[in-house]
Amino acid sequence: DTGVSQDPRHKITKRGQNVTFRCDPISEHNRLYWYRQTLGQGPEFLTYFQNEAQLEKSRLLSDRFSAERPKGSFSTLEIQRTEQGDSAMYLCASSLVWDRDLLGYTFGSGTRLTVV
Amino acid sequence: GDSVTQMEGPVTLSEEAFLTINCTYTATGYPSLFWYVQYPGEGLQLLLKATKADDKGSNKGFEATYRKETTSFHLEKGSVQVSDSAVYFCALSDRGAGSYQLTFGKGTKLSVIP
Repeated sequence: DTGVSQDPRHKITKRGQNVTFRCDPISEHNRLYWYRQTLGQGPEFLTYFQNEAQLEKSRLLSDRFSAERPKGSFSTLEIQRTEQGDSAMYLCASSLVWDRDLLGYTFGSGTRLTVV
Repeated sequence: GDSVTQMEGPVTLSEEAFLTINCTYTATGYPSLFWYVQYPGEGLQLLLKATKADDKGSNKGFEATYRKETTSFHLEKGSVQVSDSAVYFCALSDRGAGSYQLTFGKGTKLSVIP
């Protein structure tokens, strides 16, 4: 078990470009989450998957954002037509929920996006 | 909706000083409570957690007790070290919501000086 992996660690992009981030969760975990963290703030929930199904999306997730989790394994978060306000740290987390008990919750190191 | 309020930082302490970081919460259900730590340039690490009233979470000398009557989960450490310098986040997860998403406070930056 190598923890939650995120790629890339850093991404600098020009405004208007599309970007895609990848997250590989802990294999035994059945849930995967995306959060966004801006400077000086706590992380904010964006969306989550149980296995391959995307079950909830935050109002923070505009139409330019899309997340997928094919086959319930890794997940991707794509941002289309990036704006400067999208600059943030994007965090992925995975958890194991069994019989309504939260048995683990682990974050990756994040992808820092800078839109110039 | 759910929310977490933690004391504003930054907090600067001398090595071996006593640390308290206050955290209070509002939740519609019966949440689990967490403290996460973020060291410079690194991701969030779970420091400790508590899942029911009067539970005490502890790790690396840090402690926090789940107080349902005061809706609080204050973080304490008896003697801080320079290596404890980091940003500390209080968070909750409301089981009733089903998603187990975490709601975080804004974070408190701790600097420990020798």
